[in-house]
Amino acid sequence: DIQMTQSPSSLSASVGDRVTITCRASQGISNYLAWFQQKPGKAPKSLIYGASSLQSGVPSKFSGSGSGTDFTLTISSLQPEDFATYYCQQYKTNPFTFGPGTRVDIK
Amino acid sequence: EVQLVESGGGLVQPGGSLRLSCEASGFTFSSYTMNWVRQAPGKGLEWISYISTISHTIYYADSVKGRFTISRDNAKDSLHLQMNSLRVEDTAVYYCARDRNVWAGEFDYWGRGTLVTVSS
Repeated sequence: DIQMTQSPSSLSASVGDRVTITCRASQGISNYLAWFQQKPGKAPKSLIYGASSLQSGVPSKFSGSGSGTDFTLTISSLQPEDFATYYCQQYKTNPFTFGPGTRVDIK
Repeated sequence: EVQLVESGGGLVQPGGSLRLSCEASGFTFSSYTMNWVRQAPGKGLEWISYISTISHTIYYADSVKGRFTISRDNAKDSLHLQMNSLRVEDTAVYYCARDRNVWAGEFDYWGRGTLVTVSS
């Protein structure tokens, strides 16, 4: 199975900050990488697929990059509604595996 | 508007069974592959099963293989998960998730989830 790791596991940031989260796959996955946002008690929301393509309706302050084993999610200017947990996920091969999540909270 | 609504969760004893359903609307259900993903309380996300459009390809995570069965009814726009031999560690919120395109595991829409609690 492909293992996914994320760093940091949590971070504190202020409104307006630029935030970057890193995701690493245990083996190359090309660009078969997605990012999700989850708020407490809510379902995950799809943000990015194909490592860098925005899902329909997702604001452009979210961006993704990377290929192979190393990926990043960037939020250009953090807003109150962005405080949440973010997960990466690979879908190169079954089983489709998620990273452990990065919690973003208010400084 | 795409909607996925899960149902069927509840409290069940270890060794028991439960059948989850996911009712789809707002899109042509028969054209999309579907998945079940679960999340144990306070934990991360775990993909558990995939089914292709006409059920000819099915995948399971090792953690549920042999105990859970995914199925779909395209005439009724519904997805199901039959869960047998339930264990305490199966306690989780279960989400159905649609694949965005032809590539398996590329989720775009998620339901709100249904809670399954396995406890004596």
